[in-house]
Amino acid sequence: QSVLTQPPSVSGVPGQGVTISCTGSSPNIGAGYGVHWYQQLPGTAPKLLIYDNTNRPSGVPDRFSGSKSGTSASLAITGLQADDEADYYCQSYDSSLSAWVFGGGTKLTVL
Amino acid sequence: QVQLVQSGAEVKKPGASVRVSCKASGDTFTTYFMHWVRQAPGQGLEWLGMFNPNGGYTHYAQTFEGRVAVSMDASTTTVYMDLSSLRSEDTAVYYCARRHGPNLWGGMDVWGQGTTVIVSS
Repeated sequence: QSVLTQPPSVSGVPGQGVTISCTGSSPNIGAGYGVHWYQQLPGTAPKLLIYDNTNRPSGVPDRFSGSKSGTSASLAITGLQADDEADYYCQSYDSSLSAWVFGGGTKLTVL
Repeated sequence: QVQLVQSGAEVKKPGASVRVSCKASGDTFTTYFMHWVRQAPGQGLEWLGMFNPNGGYTHYAQTFEGRVAVSMDASTTTVYMDLSSLRSEDTAVYYCARRHGPNLWGGMDVWGQGTTVIVSS
């Protein structure tokens, strides 16, 4: 059972958009700790997609955006492409556990 | 641009220990914290601990306290993760990952390629 809750799967068709939610609680997202998002393609290491809730590292397309409100955060992907098919993880810090915590991951399928 | 290169795959018996190395190149080694994260087959990401090369401070997940230890050799810019009393549930890919930016709770922006550890009798 992950501290941060994500839907196990989402899907969309090329060109459309999807949103992946990440629900936390008061010791983590609700306490103001930043939420970070990662994309993991099959057989590869995770890649930082969004940091500190809304910021994109250099090289990440603006089709990817992050938001945060209260104890939840979201990753939005617009203009879906076939190579967006991957697992996506949210991550934050939990003060009650004194630990960096991840969501359980969401598998994005591009139909 | 910093790169993290990890050691090769390991096969260990239950009860044994494993050491995974993570060599950093291309940036000031002592600038950023280093995290260790693992991923069991078909599962999600799990944080094990973090290490501050500038002073040697460590902090571990409660789940692994007493079984995990992270250290470094500054002369070779290599960070090591030791995991002891291995059990089958420790079978996973282990990653080192650099903390992004100065924020203590920042994300992880550079990852090693991963090291597969298999625990089997």
